[in-house]
Amino acid sequence: NAGVTQTPKFRILKIGQSMTLQCTQDMNHNYMYWYRQDPGMGLKLIYYSVGAGITDKGEVPNGYNVSRSTTEDFPLRLELAAPSQTSVYFCASRITGWTEAFFGQGTRLTVV
Amino acid sequence: GESVGLHLPTLSVQEGDNSIINCAYSNSASDYFIWYKQESGKGPQFIIDIRSNMDKRQGQRVTVLLNKTVKHLSLQIAATQPGDSAVYFCAEFSNSGYALNFGKGTSLLVTP
Repeated sequence: NAGVTQTPKFRILKIGQSMTLQCTQDMNHNYMYWYRQDPGMGLKLIYYSVGAGITDKGEVPNGYNVSRSTTEDFPLRLELAAPSQTSVYFCASRITGWTEAFFGQGTRLTVV
Repeated sequence: GESVGLHLPTLSVQEGDNSIINCAYSNSASDYFIWYKQESGKGPQFIIDIRSNMDKRQGQRVTVLLNKTVKHLSLQIAATQPGDSAVYFCAEFSNSGYALNFGKGTSLLVTP
């Protein structure tokens, strides 16, 4: 199993550009999450999904959109990039129940 | 509101000593807690978890203690090694049981 795979690893965007951060997992997990981590800080939840077709907002959803058309994929969309969205983004997944979440290696995004 | 926080942002210990990392949580309804380790440039990795019906759980060189009365978690690392240098996060599930919320983290530095 590859686990949770995120692409790209690094990206530089100009203000106002849009992009999609890709996340895919091959563990058949029904729960998936997107977090952002600013320097020296903890992880803040952006959006999560409990299954295909179901998504919900986390703590910091503004400026982002998600979709979950399949169990495997959970892309995160930035429509109008802003400098405040400069961060490291982590995708995670887990199965139902009291279980740990598995994380990808992150996408480092810089908006200039 | 719900929050998970840590008492100490940084902790420096000598190799071979025991380390204790603390975490306070405010959601008395939380049922499940996880400790993660994050090395520089990587995603968080699961260390150990504990359910609210337990007060102690041991793993390999790590022990998690849960005090529900004062809403406090601790992670104890025995015989700390240089490879233990990382940022450690505690995390809890939200009231919904779906979202995993993280605290700010403690940076552990192991010196020779």
